Amino acid sequence: QQQVKQSPQSLIVQKGGISIINCAYENTAFDYFPWYQQFPGKGPALLIAIRPDVSEKKEGRFTISFNKSAKQFSLHIMDSQPGDSATYFCAASGGGGATNKLIFGTGTLLAVQP
Amino acid sequence: KAGVTQTPRYLIKTRGQQVTLSCSPISGHRSVSWYQQTPGQGLQFLFEYFSETQRNKGNFPGRFSGRQFSNSRSEMNVSTLELGDSALYLCASSLAPQGLNTEAFFGQGTRLTVV
Repeated sequence: QQQVKQSPQSLIVQKGGISIINCAYENTAFDYFPWYQQFPGKGPALLIAIRPDVSEKKEGRFTISFNKSAKQFSLHIMDSQPGDSATYFCAASGGGGATNKLIFGTGTLLAVQP
Repeated sequence: KAGVTQTPRYLIKTRGQQVTLSCSPISGHRSVSWYQQTPGQGLQFLFEYFSETQRNKGNFPGRFSGRQFSNSRSEMNVSTLELGDSALYLCASSLAPQGLNTEAFFGQGTRLTVV
């Protein structure tokens, strides 16, 4: 119930294309869903986050789509660039209590080809 | 505003030794969480501290411990190191343990190698 399942494991996209990464969760008490971007040798960097009261959030080229009934959320990267090549992690937290504990997906290695 | 600072960046230790890692959160942040990142297990939650109190603990053996000081700085300790403890240890800083400001910002991590 605490798992967050992420797919695909790896993704190759041409420059200018759309990258789509999907995540699914079981715990309906989760109320915060962030996405992190991680470059080799660096810590994860918060990219964008959404809460269940909205179905979509957009920040620049990055969009989160959230489907509460299906317990799924996805990251769309529009006009993908070689600089977007990194590992992306979805995560979830919440469920009551005073905690910031994040449950992470297994990560997606994105390669954007020039 | 300075980010999350973790020291040291790299460590090499021998099996059986112990190690202490340090994390200074973003100024004003009172919540610090620790995560272990390995290629096989991904990012796994270790523990979380808020105002010097452990709020939550992950599924790790008792060899893993931590604490938080009054200035919100945190340390984690691993005793009797095993080869499997080799990992990137990440610290995350948050403004508060609940509510709208739950964004967690990570440091660059400490790369621990146990030989």
